[in-house]
Amino acid sequence: DAGVIQSPRHEVTEMGQEVTLRCKPISGHNSLFWYRQTMMRGLELLIYFNNNVPIDDSGMPEDRFSAKMPNASFSTLKIQPSEPRDSAVYFCASSLGPLGGYTFGSGTRLTVV
Amino acid sequence: RKEVEQDPGPFNVPEGATVAFNCTYSNSASQSFFWYRQDCRKEPKLLMSVYSSGNEDGRFTAQLNRASQYISLLIRDSKLSDSATYLCVVNIPKSGGGADGLTFGKGTHLIIQP
Repeated sequence: DAGVIQSPRHEVTEMGQEVTLRCKPISGHNSLFWYRQTMMRGLELLIYFNNNVPIDDSGMPEDRFSAKMPNASFSTLKIQPSEPRDSAVYFCASSLGPLGGYTFGSGTRLTVV
Repeated sequence: RKEVEQDPGPFNVPEGATVAFNCTYSNSASQSFFWYRQDCRKEPKLLMSVYSSGNEDGRFTAQLNRASQYISLLIRDSKLSDSATYLCVVNIPKSGGGADGLTFGKGTHLIIQP
């Protein structure tokens, strides 16, 4: 199994630009999570999906952030417009149910200048 | 009280020593507990689940104390390769019965010294 696959690995963009992060979960996992990690705040849950349906998006910082899961094998996290304070590592994780052990992707390191 | 709280460290420990650290959680209704390991600039990886009866995996032992609301991780005969950040993970049930995911602590940084 290839594990959870995220792209891109690194993204540098200018303030105001749109950023799209992508995730392919492990086949058969029905829960998918987007986390953001910074030194100050640690790992923060942004949103999670169960069976492709968004269950909890209370962690999404503001309307500039949106996430979709059009099918069981693909999810996107979009930031529009991006701001320097969005700079962080964004992780996608998947699991068999919301309380199982999570498998994380390698993350996307986002820098907004 | 923070939902999941850990001593950030760093813990500097000589190779071969035993080291232990705790994590406290705020919600007495929490049911799922895990320890994850994260190496520098890498993703978190599941180290072990924590069961009510306590569990052991080689040199690693995890325990749960529901009365005091903490979990612990003990590492015996520490190796240089154990140097990492150890993340405590707990499910925090939401009020109102909403579905809950897992909440990560900020981690305890462990450095094993030769």
